[in-house]
Amino acid sequence: EVQMVESGGGLVKPGGSLRLSCAASGFTFSTYSMTWVRQAPGKGLEWVSSISSSSNYIYYTDSVRGRFTISRDNAKNSLYLQMNSLRAEDTAVYYCARSNFGVVGSYISDNYGMDVWGQGTTVTVSS
Amino acid sequence: QPVLTQPPSVSGAPGQRVTFSCTGSRSNIGAAYDVHWYQQLPGTAPKLLIYDTTNRPSGVPDRFSGSKSGTSASLAITGLQAEDEADYYCQSYDTSLSGYWVFGGGTKLTVV
Repeated sequence: EVQMVESGGGLVKPGGSLRLSCAASGFTFSTYSMTWVRQAPGKGLEWVSSISSSSNYIYYTDSVRGRFTISRDNAKNSLYLQMNSLRAEDTAVYYCARSNFGVVGSYISDNYGMDVWGQGTTVTVSS
Repeated sequence: QPVLTQPPSVSGAPGQRVTFSCTGSRSNIGAAYDVHWYQQLPGTAPKLLIYDTTNRPSGVPDRFSGSKSGTSASLAITGLQAEDEADYYCQSYDTSLSGYWVFGGGTKLTVV
């Protein structure tokens, strides 16, 4: 069964750090790009960061660039999101999702959508 | 404000047909990027419903269909069922300065 399980969420004070993990199984993790998406309480989905299959290409939304770092370990079938300098507005459920983007030069192809999602892990930033 | 615009809510009676709009611009849908649709049932993670504008993943009923025209896309559900009550999000790729992957604000479907 194709599955992804997030962990690492919790309550943290503003300015603090957390490291989210996403354990993948049931597919060849190393051949897929991966993405983090978050959802603030009562709000819609927001793309956070994406990483290509071999970590050659990494992208962040403006609001987290310089504070968050996405990484992956293909040997461990795992995706990570290191979150530093956390703010109240980072409070959300964080989902990892299997994605399928490709990069050719400066062109990014976004095909097949984000086709597998984890159940999410909750991050609360509050004093 | 989300880059893709969706109406906040849509409602329909069982058996009816409902449509969801997703309005973008020349830097995303209008730039020939595909649109993907996700269904989020209450309290659950999103699920891919339509990919590459018109395609259904395995297991998604053919009651769900997608289309695109110009800078907008649409999702249609026919034969509406009570279990279709959920939030629906469109997603595409944006080439503007603040771009990359973008979602619509979501549409809440109520089956009355």
